[in-house]
Amino acid sequence: EAGVTQSPTHLIKTRGQQATLRCSPISGHTSVYWYQQALGLGLQFLLWYDEGEERNRGNFPPRFSGRQFPNYSSELNVNALELEDSALYLCASSSGQGYTEAFFGQGTRLTVV
Amino acid sequence: GQQLNQSPQSMFIQEGEDVSMNCTSSSIFNTWLWYKQDPGEGPVLLIALYKAGELTSNGRLTAQFGITRKDSFLNISASIPSDVGIYFCAGRISGGSNYKLTFGKGTLLTVNP
Repeated sequence: EAGVTQSPTHLIKTRGQQATLRCSPISGHTSVYWYQQALGLGLQFLLWYDEGEERNRGNFPPRFSGRQFPNYSSELNVNALELEDSALYLCASSSGQGYTEAFFGQGTRLTVV
Repeated sequence: GQQLNQSPQSMFIQEGEDVSMNCTSSSIFNTWLWYKQDPGEGPVLLIALYKAGELTSNGRLTAQFGITRKDSFLNISASIPSDVGIYFCAGRISGGSNYKLTFGKGTLLTVNP
């Protein structure tokens, strides 16, 4: 069974551009979570989607947004990129409403120059 | 918001030694999780704890959910080189829109062969 897959693995953008990160959850999982892992800061919660709806949002500005598609895959969009947005962005999925623990993908390394 | 203090920040030990790390919180959690992250990978779930006082083992790993529900520890016995990585604790208050995990900043473990 395939795990959580994220694409691309690496992304380099310039300041002010937009970045789109993608996540495919484990088959059967309906919840997708996004986390930002900046150097030395641990994992910071960004967004939680379940059944196509945003359920919770972390303390990030509105230029961080996303959506979940009918097949439960998800996109994270970051607009007006800033240098401080450089981080590893991790996606995790679970079997809806926390019924199972979350499994993480390998992450997308976003570098803003 | 919830804050997790994880200690120590880093450990450098000899192969065969036992390791202990812990997390404390300013808030009560009803789930504690321990993850390990290898370089370039997403976190992998090691142990999940759901009841105050619960003690759970996974091979050489043992973790406990503190009685106050504000702390947890992870022990690794007889460490081996492949134990190298970053260990994260995570806490969750389940229910409603609160299925997000709050992570500690991690403990970097180095094992000297």
